[in-house]
Amino acid sequence: RKEVEQDPGPFNVPEGATVAFNCTYSNSASQSFFWYRQDCRKEPKLLMSVYSSGNEDGRFTAQLNRASQYISLLIRDSKLSDSATYLCVVASNTGNQFYFGTGTSLTVIP
Amino acid sequence: DVKVTQSSRYLVKRTGEKVFLECVQDMDHENMFWYRQDPGLGLRLIYFSYDVKMKEKGDIPEGYSVSREKKERFSLILESASTNQTSMYLCASSFSGIGQYFGPGTRLTVT
Repeated sequence: RKEVEQDPGPFNVPEGATVAFNCTYSNSASQSFFWYRQDCRKEPKLLMSVYSSGNEDGRFTAQLNRASQYISLLIRDSKLSDSATYLCVVASNTGNQFYFGTGTSLTVIP
Repeated sequence: DVKVTQSSRYLVKRTGEKVFLECVQDMDHENMFWYRQDPGLGLRLIYFSYDVKMKEKGDIPEGYSVSREKKERFSLILESASTNQTSMYLCASSFSGIGQYFGPGTRLTVT
C-alpha cells in the first residue's frame, strides 16, 4: 500500500469555481503534512503546511482529519494562475522523511 | 528566502560515464534529499542525509551514491550512467518537521 494516495485528476474547472482535493495517508504516526504546488517543468514549491486545527491562507484552506487519515485542500474563487499540479506530502514521525502523493492536476479554464 | 541551487539545469551524458550532480543550500538545514521525478511515477526518493557524512537509502538507491562532506552540500553520483537514469533530478533540504525546499532541478539525458 502506498504511503500517500491522491486522485490524479485531471480537474478542469471554470474561473471562479471552488475545487477541493483530498489525499489519504497510511501511517497513523505521521506528524507533519503539507501541500505543494508544481508548475510544468518546474520544481515543487511549498504551498502550505496543514495543521490539526485547519489553516487558511487567502483563497486556500487546508484541513487534516487524523481519525480518517486524510488531508484536504480547498481553493476558492479559482484563478487561471492556479493551474498546476498539487502534491500532498506527509512527513514521518521523525520529521526527516517525506512521502509524496503522485499529484492532482488542476486546469482553470477562462 | 531559502535558496537551494543545483549545479546544472540540463545535462547530456553518454552511457557509462560518471555523473556528478551537486546541490547547495544556504539555510543551515540538517536534512538534504535527492529525488528523481518521472511522468506517471511522481517523486521517488533516491537518498537522504540528516547530517554531515550521514546518508540513508531511499526507495530507489540502486545505481546511485551520495556524498555529504559539508552541511550545505549534498552530491549525487551516478557511477556508470545508463539510459534508464534519464530523468529530472531534484534536490531538497529541510529542518526536521518543517516542509522541504527544492532546487530548480537537473534534467539529465543519458544517450
